[in-house]
Amino acid sequence: QVQLQESGPGLVKPSETLSLTCTVSGSSITSGYFWGWVRQTSGQGLEWIGVINHHGITYYNPSLKRRVTLSVDTSKEQVSLKLGSATAADTAIYFCTRDRGPARPLYTDTWGQGTLVTVSS
Amino acid sequence: EIVLTQSPGTLSLSPGERATLSCRASQTVSSAYLAWYQQKPGQAPRLLIYGASNRATGIPDRYRGSGSGTDFTLTISSLEPEDFAVYYCQQYAGSPPFMCSFGQGTKLEI
Repeated sequence: QVQLQESGPGLVKPSETLSLTCTVSGSSITSGYFWGWVRQTSGQGLEWIGVINHHGITYYNPSLKRRVTLSVDTSKEQVSLKLGSATAADTAIYFCTRDRGPARPLYTDTWGQGTLVTVSS
Repeated sequence: EIVLTQSPGTLSLSPGERATLSCRASQTVSSAYLAWYQQKPGQAPRLLIYGASNRATGIPDRYRGSGSGTDFTLTISSLEPEDFAVYYCQQYAGSPPFMCSFGQGTKLEI
C-alpha cells in the first residue's frame, strides 16, 4: 500500500523559501505516476500547486509558477517542493499527492496526511 | 483556467436521506478528468469517484457520480453517519499544460 510522508520545517520566515519533502513508500517513484502538492489554508478549500513525474516533466499552477519548483530524487524515492518568497498567505497544510498517469495526470488517487507550515517572523 | 463551482455550499440532511451535490465547470471538462473527494476534519481528502462515474477501490455503491460537459453530480443514495463531511470535485485540463483545479467544496452536515 502506497504511503506518502511529508516532512520539513513547520515555521518559515517571511521572504524565505518554504521547503518540503515527500517520501514515497509502497510504490516506486519511477512508476507511471505524477507526484505533486496540494495545499489547504485554514478552513478553506484545496489549491493545486503542481505535479512532476520521474522524467522531470512538471505542470504548475499558473498563480504560483513564478515561485514554485518541484523536483524528484529517484534514489531516495522523494519529491521536493520549494516555494520562494514566502508570505503569510502561504500558511497552509501542505499535502503530498500521487496522481494517476502515465502519459498525463488524470486524477489524485493518494494523499499524504499533510503538514502544517506557518509563515511568520 | 477552468473554474469549478460547487453547490450548495452547505447541505443539511439526515441519515437515510439522499444527497445530491453539484459541480459546474466554467468550460467543458472531459469526463475522464473529473474526480470527487471526501474530506473529514483533520484528515486528508479521500478519492471517491474518478472518470466522473467510476468508484474508487473500497467506495460503497451508495456513492454515484454522473454528468458530462460542464455539469457533474455526486449522489449519495442513503446517507450513513460517516458520510457527513466536505466533498470536493477536481478537474484536470484536457490539453497541455495540464492545469488542475478544485471546487470550493460542499459541506454535508446532519
